[in-house]
Amino acid sequence: DAGVIQSPRHEVTEMGQEVTLRCKPISGHDYLFWYRQTMMRGLELLIYFNNNVPIDDSGMPEDRFSAKMPNASFSTLKIQPSEPRDSAVYFCASTQGAGTGELFFGEGSRLTVL
Amino acid sequence: SQQGEEDPQALSIQEGENATMNCSYKTSINNLQWYRQNSGRGLVHLILIRSNEREKHSGRLRVTLDTSKKSSSLLITASRAADTASYFCATPASGGSYIPTFGRGTSLIVHP
Repeated sequence: DAGVIQSPRHEVTEMGQEVTLRCKPISGHDYLFWYRQTMMRGLELLIYFNNNVPIDDSGMPEDRFSAKMPNASFSTLKIQPSEPRDSAVYFCASTQGAGTGELFFGEGSRLTVL
Repeated sequence: SQQGEEDPQALSIQEGENATMNCSYKTSINNLQWYRQNSGRGLVHLILIRSNEREKHSGRLRVTLDTSKKSSSLLITASRAADTASYFCATPASGGSYIPTFGRGTSLIVHP
């Protein structure tokens, strides 16, 4: 398996623009997570899905952030409008069953908002 | 919310030395995990230890868990330059959960 695939790897955008980050989880995994990593706050859990259904989005910072999982092989994290403080590395991770605990991470999408 | 915190924040050692990193957490857990992150890459799972285990080994890695002190340690023996990375502990967001939350990590530099 190719692992968790994220795109784009790098995104530079202007404040106010819409940003869409994409994730393809490992086939057969039924949990998908979005994390955000910054120097100041470390690795924060934004939202996670189980069987394509959002379970906990309490980590989503503001209404400007939204996430969808239209099917088992694709998820998006959207920021609209983007702000400079959204600059971070966004990671997608997936796992099979919550009990194993082991997450498989993508390589991340580094977002810079100017 | 973050529950686990690693200590020290940074560690610099020579190749061949042992590296020890610690993790403290706040509430009861059912398991604790350690991950590694190379610069510019995603996190990679190293080892999971359950609450009924006290010690676990994987190659040059040794993890201990002391639930009475709410702490864990990761020992890397005979370190190599390739071990240079950040190391994170992950604990469940709440006692009965399996959803991992991460600390800020320990940055390890191993000098050749």
